[in-house]
Amino acid sequence: AQSVTQLGSHVSVSEGALVLLRCNYSSSVPPYLFWYVQYPNQGLQLLLKYTSAATLVKGINGFEAEFKKSETSFHLTKPSAHMSDAAEYFCAVSEGQAGTALIFGKGTTLSVSS
Amino acid sequence: EAQVTQNPRYLITVTGKKLTVTCSQNMNHEYMSWYRQDPGLGLRQIYYSMNVEVTDKGDVPEGYKVSRKEKRNFPLILESPSPNQTSLYFCASSRGGGENEQYFGPGTRLTVT
Repeated sequence: AQSVTQLGSHVSVSEGALVLLRCNYSSSVPPYLFWYVQYPNQGLQLLLKYTSAATLVKGINGFEAEFKKSETSFHLTKPSAHMSDAAEYFCAVSEGQAGTALIFGKGTTLSVSS
Repeated sequence: EAQVTQNPRYLITVTGKKLTVTCSQNMNHEYMSWYRQDPGLGLRQIYYSMNVEVTDKGDVPEGYKVSRKEKRNFPLILESPSPNQTSLYFCASSRGGGENEQYFGPGTRLTVT
């Protein structure tokens, strides 16, 4: 069965600092991977997705993620944090080629201080 | 505007009183799903539907029912809610297929006392 592990339930950075949110997955087949962001009192919004076209994926708001098969990782990064990046971030893997479900990690809350 | 809508956004009810949370999408998506979000547990799938009249259980289906009579609507029914169903619920839709992202509604915060 597929699973996702997000290391660190809470990450704090200063404005302008590098953001690194970690995600490791377990999958017996080539995975489809996603990062979603959830701002307070809102639904989930797609940041980026990996569908095997390219290992470095660029998303919205300056975020990017690199798929590393050897490490079974899909870490999310942003070179320079902004106050507006404070939110909860979820990594997810699509279950099966039919995509009957997204298997989510437990989430990482990003805090950004000035 | 392409969107998934849910109603109500907030609901406080009592144990045993049947309720329905509606979900509607305007993107002509075949796939729809319900998730619940609990602190420290992330999101877990309750039910999903691959098309009209086709539904199946997710990871945590106990205590819930769904129906898919029309492509755009996928209501979640709690026939006898209990306090352990207090949670934040999200409806999602997609074109189907593992490579396609799911679009999420704004969420329904349910409290069962």
